[in-house]
Amino acid sequence: SAVISQKPSRDICQRGTSLTIQCQVDSQVTMMFWYRQQPGQSLTLIATANQGSEATYESGFVIDKFPISRPNLTFSTLTVSNMSPEDSSIYLCSVEEETEAFFGQGTRLTVV
Amino acid sequence: QKEVEQDPGPLSVPEGAIVSLNCTYSNSAFQYFMWYRQYSRKGPELLMYTYSSGNKEDGRFTAQVDKSSKYISLFIRDSQPSDSATYLCAMISPSYGKLTFGQGTILTVHP
Repeated sequence: SAVISQKPSRDICQRGTSLTIQCQVDSQVTMMFWYRQQPGQSLTLIATANQGSEATYESGFVIDKFPISRPNLTFSTLTVSNMSPEDSSIYLCSVEEETEAFFGQGTRLTVV
Repeated sequence: QKEVEQDPGPLSVPEGAIVSLNCTYSNSAFQYFMWYRQYSRKGPELLMYTYSSGNKEDGRFTAQVDKSSKYISLFIRDSQPSDSATYLCAMISPSYGKLTFGQGTILTVHP
């Protein structure tokens, strides 16, 4: 099973600033996924990151707000740009092996 | 209407109780069904996985799928305080290929 390290685990940020979240996997994977988990809400897929190509964003999410990098097969970053309090959430990266999804421990972001 | 509906609870039960967690869904294309458990300050981890109607047992956990009613359940027998967590149902259709999650049920098992 994949082991995923995600950092930071939590942060408190000022509105208008940006935060970059890092995700490191212990094995090479083709696709990495970024989710948002808002209080009382289901996990919502933000985008799928493929190595060597631009990320694919889900409806309601745009690259300018959530730029993603995928420089190699074991690493990805998600940036939350120009933050507002509405961006306060848990952000999770994930990989899939066959039909099982593995998640990092999440980044708890609070925007003040 | 959300594709997957899950009662968020919270649900509080005494140790030893039988717990029933449920999800309904609207998309008949969903073919694979999962239950994830998420402890506080941790990412979700897969608990049970099934792809057919009927029951699947794993220790104290039973996953039940009724595709005709678009309804899935997770039963926890002899619940323990260590079962206290958020439980998320998830499902996937082969054509869409991405997980769709319920909003999660917060469970507390008190001694």
